[in-house]
Amino acid sequence: SAVISQKPSRDICQRGTSLTIQCQVDSQVTMMFWYRQQPGQSLTLIATANQGSEATYESGFVIDKFPISRPNLTFSTLTVSNMSPEDSSIYLCSVVEGTGIVNEQFFGPGTRLTVL
Amino acid sequence: GQQLNQSPQSMFIQEGEDVSMNCTSSSIFNTWLWYKQEPGEGPVLLIALYKAGELTSNGRLTAQFGITRKDSFLNISASIPSDVGIYFCAGQWTGTASKLTFGTGTRLQVTL
Repeated sequence: SAVISQKPSRDICQRGTSLTIQCQVDSQVTMMFWYRQQPGQSLTLIATANQGSEATYESGFVIDKFPISRPNLTFSTLTVSNMSPEDSSIYLCSVVEGTGIVNEQFFGPGTRLTVL
Repeated sequence: GQQLNQSPQSMFIQEGEDVSMNCTSSSIFNTWLWYKQEPGEGPVLLIALYKAGELTSNGRLTAQFGITRKDSFLNISASIPSDVGIYFCAGQWTGTASKLTFGTGTRLQVTL
C-alpha cells in the first residue's frame, strides 16, 4: 500500500490563527480525502481533494474555513483557518488505491491539533 | 451526517478470549471495510468485503458482509495484548466516489 506522511504530526495553536497541514504520498493516487476526528469520536469526511480543481466539501464544511490544495497526484494541503478551541481534533488524510470495484482506502498517521 | 452503529461500544476481555463486534446501517453499502486505530496513529485497514455474504479472514480476524448489505461483523480469535485499540467499520457506496461512512467504533481492552 501507499506510504502516507503528514506534517506536522501535532501542534498547539492560539485561537484566531491558521495552520496548514501537509499530506505527502509516495506514489501517484487518484483520490485523496481529508477527515476530522474529534476527541473520542469517529471519523468525519471534510472534503475530497481534487487534483487541479477546487475541493468537494461535505455538508457542514466550507472552503473559507478549510481551504484545500492538491497541486499534483502525490500531495495535498488542508488549512484550518481562524481556529477556535472547537477545531481541536485529529486531521487525517487518506488515499484510495485501486480502480473499479476494488477501492481500498488508506490513512496517514494524522495531525493532532490543539487550539488554546 | 450518517453514521454506522457499532456494538459493543467497548469491551474488556482477557487474553486468549475470542471477540465479536458488529456494525449496522439503515442504508445499503457495496463495500464494508474494517479498520483498527491505535493511540496516536491513523486507522489501519484490516479487512475489505465486496460481496454480500462474503466471509473473509486475515490471520486471527474474520469478517462477514451481511446478506442484506446493511451489516457486517468482525471476529478476533484468541486475543492478544496487541489487539488493543479502537475498531471502526466503514461502509462505501459505489456511487459516492469512494467516500467512506464510518461507524461509531468499538474500543477493545485486553487484560493479561
